[in-house]
Order: sequence, then structure tokens, then C-alpha cells
Amino acid sequence: QQQVKQSPQSLIVQKGGISIINCAYENTAFDYFPWYQQFPGKGPALLIAIRPDVSEKKEGRFTISFNKSAKQFSLHIMDSQPGDSATYFCAATMTSGGSNYKLTFGKGTLLTVNP
Amino acid sequence: GAVVSQHPSRVICKSGTSVKIECRSLDFQATTMFWYRQFPKQSLMLMATSNEGSKATYEQGVEKDKFLINHASLTLSTLTVTSAHPEDSSFYICSAPLGTSMFETQYFGPGTRLLVL
Repeated sequence: QQQVKQSPQSLIVQKGGISIINCAYENTAFDYFPWYQQFPGKGPALLIAIRPDVSEKKEGRFTISFNKSAKQFSLHIMDSQPGDSATYFCAATMTSGGSNYKLTFGKGTLLTVNP
Repeated sequence: GAVVSQHPSRVICKSGTSVKIECRSLDFQATTMFWYRQFPKQSLMLMATSNEGSKATYEQGVEKDKFLINHASLTLSTLTVTSAHPEDSSFYICSAPLGTSMFETQYFGPGTRLLVL
């Protein structure tokens, strides 16, 4: 079973704090790991993604840390803002082997950033 | 970024009727599109892979005769929920992959909220 396990289920942080969401995967054939942000009633939007050949990728306040040996990756949101309050999904996919880039999603983390 | 649209955004129908949801890639072509269903406070569940020019591939447990998928062109896929029942009420989302340099990623539509009375 191809699974991506995500934690925590929910997270509350204060404005300006750091939000950390963790994911772990089982299938070593996964080679692309995107994070999506979803606001209520909207479709998910790509936030940031990483390949396993790098250990970290940073885009603005968002950073992905990747540990290939542990099969874990995490999203760090620096200087968290109330506007970051949303549900975050990690995902994984194989970009070769005829998978057609089918995504396997984590269960999601509801982030609330208090003002 | 790439844009994927869905129509309608919201639909209410009576039990037993059929509902068609359209998914369009507005500024790129997609030979493959994906259809997901999402229940409240839950993750996205892949229903099927829509393939242009061939039959859709359904995930285990998804009834292909109930959820008809047609990938009519390189920019349009449709999902028809046939003989809808209240348990089909959900948020339906499509996505399409786009290749950019070394990476390909999925771009999601805004979703369609289906309520079956």
C-alpha cells in the first residue's frame, strides 16, 4: 500500500511563529514531493515541491526539509501569518514508470495562526 | 501559473438525476487529468484517471458506470455522476499535470460542490 503519513492533524501557532508539518512515506520509488495549500471551499494550490536529490528547498517563508534515508519530509512556515491559516497536504508521486504523476496525499493538517 | 477551471462551481440536484462536471485546462494541453472526491475535513481521494483518446482508469472501489468520465479533447474532461444519490454529495476536484523543465506537477481546479437532495 502506497501511503503518505502526515502529522499533526491540526496545529495552532501564534502570529510570527514557526509552523512545522511532517510527512513520512513508504514507497522508495516516489521521486517528487509537493505540498499543497487548500482554503475552505477551494481547490488545492501548489505551494512548494522538492526532489529527493536535495535536502532542502526554500521559497520565501516556506521551506521543505527532506531526509531521504528516513523517508521523511517536512514543511516549515516561518513568520506564520493569519492568512496562512488553511489545510496543508503533503503528497508524493513517481515521475517515471508510467505512473502518470498520480499523487498520493497525506491526510492533511489544519493550520490555525492566531493574531 | 497554469490554470484549470471547473464548471459548475456548485450544483444542487434531486436524487436520481445525472450531473455533469467539466474540467478544463485553460492555457495548456493535458492528455491526462485526474478526478478526486473530498469529503469535509478529509483528504483528497483519487477516483479516476482521465485519458484523452482512451478509456478512463478507475481506482479500486469506484463504480465506473456511476461516474462516467469522458476526455473529449486535450483541454476538456467531464465527469458525469449518474443517478445521483445523497451519499454522492461531496466536493469534486479535477487536476491536470503540466511539465515544466525537469518537473511535472499537478494543477488543481477550484472544485465543484455537489449536493444531492
